[in-house]
Amino acid sequence: KAGVTQTPRYLIKTRGQQVTLSCSPISGHRSVSWYQQTPGQGLQFLFEYFSETQRNKGNFPGRFSGRQFSNSRSEMNVSTLELGDSALYLCASSSIRTSGIKVYNEQFFGPGTRLTVL
Amino acid sequence: AQTVTQSQPEMSVQEAETVTLSCTYDTSENNYYLFWYKQPPSRQMILVIRQEAYKQQNATENRFSVNFQKAAKSFSLKISDSQLGDTAMYFCAFMKPTREQGAQKLVFGQGTRLTINP
Repeated sequence: KAGVTQTPRYLIKTRGQQVTLSCSPISGHRSVSWYQQTPGQGLQFLFEYFSETQRNKGNFPGRFSGRQFSNSRSEMNVSTLELGDSALYLCASSSIRTSGIKVYNEQFFGPGTRLTVL
Repeated sequence: AQTVTQSQPEMSVQEAETVTLSCTYDTSENNYYLFWYKQPPSRQMILVIRQEAYKQQNATENRFSVNFQKAAKSFSLKISDSQLGDTAMYFCAFMKPTREQGAQKLVFGQGTRLTINP
């Protein structure tokens, strides 16, 4: 099975612009989560989509948005870019795992999109 | 809100040695999952090991094992017979379970940069 893919891998933008990042989950996975990784703040949860619905959202401003399509592919958009938005943006797709009587979702990460805002 | 703390920003050991990475967390939940993820330089994040809080037995995966102390809210990772390929950032992460399908958000620690020297 192909892994999680993210495009583009690298992106350079200037302040005030907007950007769209794309994530294709592992085939059959219906959940996609997005994380922002920076040296200062570490890994922070942005949002999660399941069956085209945003089900969970992190503590980020409204400039950060996302959506999921019927084929489970997801995009995230950042409008009015700021210098502080420079980061590695990771996407993870999720499959259900059963351990005894418990069910949890194991997340598989993509390689990330490195966004640089100048 | 849950928090995860990794108190060792960097560690360095010689090949074949054993190394232990520390992680503590704070939660009021009784049931949850804990993970160690590995992020090699310029490569994607992969799951190393998982622990369910309701299981008293410590998880092991080949050379990787954990010491899970629920009362102390401690979750350390031991890497035995370390190899050059173990060089990476290691993240401890917490997940609260849910009955719903789809991913629950991961709360990550700040990471420990581990270098294995030849």
